[in-house]
This record gives sequence, structure tokens and C-alpha cells, in this order.
Amino acid sequence: GAVVSQHPSWVICKSGTSVKIECRSLDFQATTMFWYRQFPKQSLMLMATSNEGSKATYEQGVEKDKFLINHASLTLSTLTVTSAHPEDSSFYICSARDRTTGYTFGSGTRLTVV
Amino acid sequence: GQNIDQPTEMTATEGAIVQINCTYQTSGFNGLFWYQQHAGEAPTFLSYNVLDGLEEKGRFSSFLSRSKGYSYLLLKELQMKDSASYLCAVSPSGGYNKLIFGAGTRLAVHP
Repeated sequence: GAVVSQHPSWVICKSGTSVKIECRSLDFQATTMFWYRQFPKQSLMLMATSNEGSKATYEQGVEKDKFLINHASLTLSTLTVTSAHPEDSSFYICSARDRTTGYTFGSGTRLTVV
Repeated sequence: GQNIDQPTEMTATEGAIVQINCTYQTSGFNGLFWYQQHAGEAPTFLSYNVLDGLEEKGRFSSFLSRSKGYSYLLLKELQMKDSASYLCAVSPSGGYNKLIFGAGTRLAVHP
């Protein structure tokens, strides 16, 4: 079945630094990828929709300059958390829509900012 | 706006049946999904409903009523491993087919 590979699985960074998270669709092309954030014991909150070859569409309240999204190819989307702060610590997860199983999720990235 | 409601927590006994309800109000409707998620892991697809009625898949069934903005997930013959969060998600109308998730229902299955 469709697989989305997300890296890294976890990352610890110092406050003020930037962190890049990658999601790759394997065996299928993802013209659209979705980025979610999930705080403990809460559901997935859609942050933005990433479109290959164009600018991402951000949900209301999500800072575009802080969460940079790049969809460089049909199989790769990246989320960069810039100038990370402890309140950005969360579980970030991507998802791509494929034609067979619907939505396939990456395995998620646990970000801890210290 | 988009609004998806489901109970926060539920408990049930091993071997029993549990029904998790979900109501939604969205700008259009392109389908409703149920996912299972264990802590720290990615959601796992359970079911998809786009037309009214019941979809059955083994121990899991999902029902949809579009006129009522209502769905439920039915879990039969509960097992301890079914303890997880169950997420209701709706694809509203509009571009990109994004998914909007409810807050999730944490199900605890007891012996």
C-alpha cells in the first residue's frame, strides 16, 4: 500500500534554532500534502496544505513565517519550524492523499525544544 | 466554520460492544473518516463513509447520516488492544480535499 516516510522521528533542539521535517511519498505521487500538529491528549490540528509547485495554504492562526513549507517535488514536502521555542514542542505529522487508500499518514515527528 | 464533536473519553469491557458518536457541521461534505491512533503513533485508517448507511469491516462498522450530520463507529468483541483514541474526520467541500479532525475519543477497554 501507499507509504509516507517522515523523518526525523524525534528531534531535540535548542530554543531559537530551526528544525526541518521531511515527508516523502513512496510509490505514489502526492500533489498535495497536509501538515498537522498534535499536542498531548489532543487531536490533530491542520496547520497547512502543501501543494507541489505553489505556495502552501495555511489555516487560520498558523504563522506562515514561522512554519515554512516547501513542496519541491511530487514526492517531497518539508516543514521547517523557524526560531523554535518551547511552546512549539509537539507531535508533527504529515499526510498525503493517494487514490487507493485515501489519506496516508507519516509516522510523525516528536519535536522537543529546550 | 468547521465543527466536529465526539465524546472525550469512553470506557468499555473486554468482549463488549461500544459505539462512538460523531456529529459534524462543515462547509460542505466530501466524506467522513474514522481513524484509530495509539499514543505517539500515526493514525490508522479504519473506515470511510460518503453515502448514508452502514459500512461493515470485520469487528468495526461505521454509520453515516448526512442529513443529520451524524456518524458512529461501532466496535464489537472488544479487545484490550482496542484501547486507543478514535478520531472522526471530515473532508469539507473546497480544494485540496483536506481533512478536519474532531478532538478524538479516548477509549479504555478493561478486563
